[in-house]
Amino acid sequence: GAGVSQSPSNKVTEKGKDVELRCDPISGHTALYWYRQSLGQGLEFLIYFQGNSAPDKSGLPSDRFSAERTGGSVSTLTIQRTQQEDSAVYLCASGNRAPYGYTFGSGTRLTVV
Amino acid sequence: KQEVTQIPAALSVPEGENLVLNCSFTDSAIYNLQWFRQDPGKGLTSLLLIQSSQREQTSGRLNASLDKSSGRSTLYIAASQPGDSATYLCAVGPLGSGYSTLTFGKGTMLLVSP
Repeated sequence: GAGVSQSPSNKVTEKGKDVELRCDPISGHTALYWYRQSLGQGLEFLIYFQGNSAPDKSGLPSDRFSAERTGGSVSTLTIQRTQQEDSAVYLCASGNRAPYGYTFGSGTRLTVV
Repeated sequence: KQEVTQIPAALSVPEGENLVLNCSFTDSAIYNLQWFRQDPGKGLTSLLLIQSSQREQTSGRLNASLDKSSGRSTLYIAASQPGDSATYLCAVGPLGSGYSTLTFGKGTMLLVSP
């Protein structure tokens, strides 16, 4: 597609429920990143996929968070047993090898009540 | 661990003013530096990308400079307009294979008044 597409754009969920966030990267981009932006905070790296390599999961805050990327394209970020501190905007970005930069999606605003 | 700081956190200027946003980083071993714009409720839009070997990049009314040795970058906006109102984020990418995770600052929230 023309850009990075994320769905849903907004998600309200009850504490303890599981949620799935989806990212459709730009066609042909081999790298895909998930970041989290909490209120008043900078962007926090979560996970990075590159081609068929094992993902870099070093930014995932707990084992309740997981992500997969199927067929080297679409990615799903799953948060199990959501907590109120998980409330944030979850941003996905895709890119190719440097010197090219990243293209971000519009994000999913997650609210845990 | 790389840390990125942006000053000021917020800035309010009248339309037409030239302004400078500042970004500093603690580890000069960077591959590139990227400036983004974020509108409320939106994702990030890339404005300028500077490779570590470059000193500056220009796009329209925007000019970004990079001084890697001192760990600083500035984003200069000329003749500001109300449409420039947004949060501006600076991010650095570490040395490596070229695929890298960016470290972001917390941003400068800019308001340009008509």
